Amino acid sequence: NAGVTQTPKFRILKIGQSMTLQCAQDMNHNYMYWYRQDPGMGLKLIYYSVGAGITDKGEVPNGYNVSRSTTEYFPLRLELAAPSQTSVYFCASSSSRASNTGELFFGEGSRLTVL
Amino acid sequence: QQQVKQSPQSLIVQKGGISIINCAYENTAFDYFPWYQQFPGKGPALLIAIRPDVSEKKEGRFTISFNKSAKQFSLHIMDSQPGDSATYFCAAIAQGGSEKLVFGKGTKLTVNP
Repeated sequence: NAGVTQTPKFRILKIGQSMTLQCAQDMNHNYMYWYRQDPGMGLKLIYYSVGAGITDKGEVPNGYNVSRSTTEYFPLRLELAAPSQTSVYFCASSSSRASNTGELFFGEGSRLTVL
Repeated sequence: QQQVKQSPQSLIVQKGGISIINCAYENTAFDYFPWYQQFPGKGPALLIAIRPDVSEKKEGRFTISFNKSAKQFSLHIMDSQPGDSATYFCAAIAQGGSEKLVFGKGTKLTVNP
């Protein structure tokens, strides 16, 4: 089972460039999330979606955008990349039931470096 | 404001020893507390979880202890093995609430052979 698939795994960007991190899940989960992980800082929620066409901001949304046109895909867009966006990004999903219990399935992450 | 405080930041244990990671929270609306395990280069994976109406939950060598009055909970890893070396995150959520899952900052556990 593929679960949650993220691409690319690694990317180096120059300041001011833009890119999209891709996320796909094959578990038919309604809920999807984007987190960023910085050393010693835990996981911070960037954006989340409770279903196709519905997205909402998390704790650290500035500098990012998302869209959710289908249940399977939840891309994260970085506009005008800045060094502060250097991080490891994780996409996660959960069923509607499990969203209340924090039972998330995570992808393997996308490591982004902005120089 | 850090909603879930986790300690220690790093922990080194000898094989066969007991690893203990502590977490504390302030928001009394939190009513479900999962723990995640993350190996290097991988995403976090759910390890074990507890509700506050239970003081202890055990799954194999992993045990969560919960103290509702103190708003503290901890993960104990008995007979720690080198394969347990990973980063562990405690987390909390209010079921049915508008807040999403919040994570502690993580504990990097190293189990020496």
